[in-house]
Amino acid sequence: DVKVTQSSRYLVKRTGEKVFLECVQDMDHENMFWYRQDPGLGLRLIYFSYDVKMKEKGDIPEGYSVSREKKERFSLILESASTNQTSMYLCASSLFKATRYEKLFFGSGTQLSVL
Amino acid sequence: KQEVTQIPAALSVPEGENLVLNCSFTDSAIYNLQWFRQDPGKGLTSLLLIQSSQREQTSGRLNASLDKSSGRSTLYIAASQPGDSATYLCAVRREYGNKLVFGAGTILRVKS
Repeated sequence: DVKVTQSSRYLVKRTGEKVFLECVQDMDHENMFWYRQDPGLGLRLIYFSYDVKMKEKGDIPEGYSVSREKKERFSLILESASTNQTSMYLCASSLFKATRYEKLFFGSGTQLSVL
Repeated sequence: KQEVTQIPAALSVPEGENLVLNCSFTDSAIYNLQWFRQDPGKGLTSLLLIQSSQREQTSGRLNASLDKSSGRSTLYIAASQPGDSATYLCAVRREYGNKLVFGAGTILRVKS
């Protein structure tokens, strides 16, 4: 089974801190995604990557950056955390195989609180 | 802009009932549609994926159908059990591009 691992289950940070959220997948997937999930707003795409060192903005990239130096690892960076970035962050990955987009697999999520 | 709507927002049923969750999308130019389950405080688990050329997919007690032209999908759960209690989300992948657009989900509670 595909495993998508997020490094922290819960994080508490202070306003202005630089925050790193790490995600690792073990199935050689090309595509990796970062979403945030908020009550009443559903899942919103922050950034995604379809290859090493490649990244594309999602729907709400402001205040975030990403890094993909290795295929299996996709990092989300909050340059200067703010209280409105308190949220559940979900990492996902998928395979692009023979022109078909395959299923999306999610990690367990990181609940980030910014105080 | 693709918008995905799920109805109802919440559903409570007694154990053993068959039930239907609905998902509608505004742009029929989709590549595929995926149903997910999410338990409280957890990530999403993929249940079923339907390619745009398919009409339905089945896995155990779950059956998902897709009517692309009318912009609708349904998730049918047979003989519901308390363990089915969770939030169910649908997501569509646009015909061009790598993004999924999610609905807000249906919160299901199956009472024993």
